Amino acid sequence: EVQLLESGGGLVQPGESLRLSCAVSGFTFSDYSMAWVRQAPGKGLEWVSTIGGPSGPSYYADSVKGRFTISRDNSKNTLFLQMDSLRVADTALYFCARKAPDYYDTYHFDDWGQGTVVTVS
Amino acid sequence: QSVLTQPPAVSGTPGQRVTISCSGSSSNIGSNTVTWYQHLPGTAPKLLIYNNDQRPSGVPDRVSGSKSGTSASLAITGLQSEDEADYYCATWDDRLHCPVFGRGTKLTVL
Repeated sequence: EVQLLESGGGLVQPGESLRLSCAVSGFTFSDYSMAWVRQAPGKGLEWVSTIGGPSGPSYYADSVKGRFTISRDNSKNTLFLQMDSLRVADTALYFCARKAPDYYDTYHFDDWGQGTVVTVS
Repeated sequence: QSVLTQPPAVSGTPGQRVTISCSGSSSNIGSNTVTWYQHLPGTAPKLLIYNNDQRPSGVPDRVSGSKSGTSASLAITGLQSEDEADYYCATWDDRLHCPVFGRGTKLTVL
């Protein structure tokens, strides 16, 4: 069974940093591109970043480019999101998601975690 | 401001058929496939439809997707109380060079 478990969320002040983790199991982590998607309070889903498997490249939404860094440790089956210079607008529930393989020829996420809450205030 | 437009809410009674629309443009839905996700607050979002009309294993056939031009639709027949959730459409945007989501539609089963 595929499982994705996010952690690392919390309450921080504007300008501070936070590092999110996503521990995965049930599939060969290094074979898949992985992503972070967030949901601000009362808002819809917003793509944040994607990293290819097994070692990149990485892509970012304009809203986080230059402040957030996505990375992965394939030996520990873990995805990370380093968030620096946090803003109030970054307050959201952050989901870790597995991107479906390229052979589907369609960009979608086939498994998701339950999310971790980041509050910047 | 989402590039994909969905109605904020739809509702139906048990057994009914409901549809959720998703409107985009030539740079997103018009030139790429559409995905639909179901999300119950407090849980992990779930892939419902990919490649416009394909159901992953485990999604019942009373759920279907379609696409025409720059719009897409999700249909649920035989509505059940367990279908009450938020539904999001998504696709790739060639102009923005990233995946984009609709703002979501809250389905209420009356």
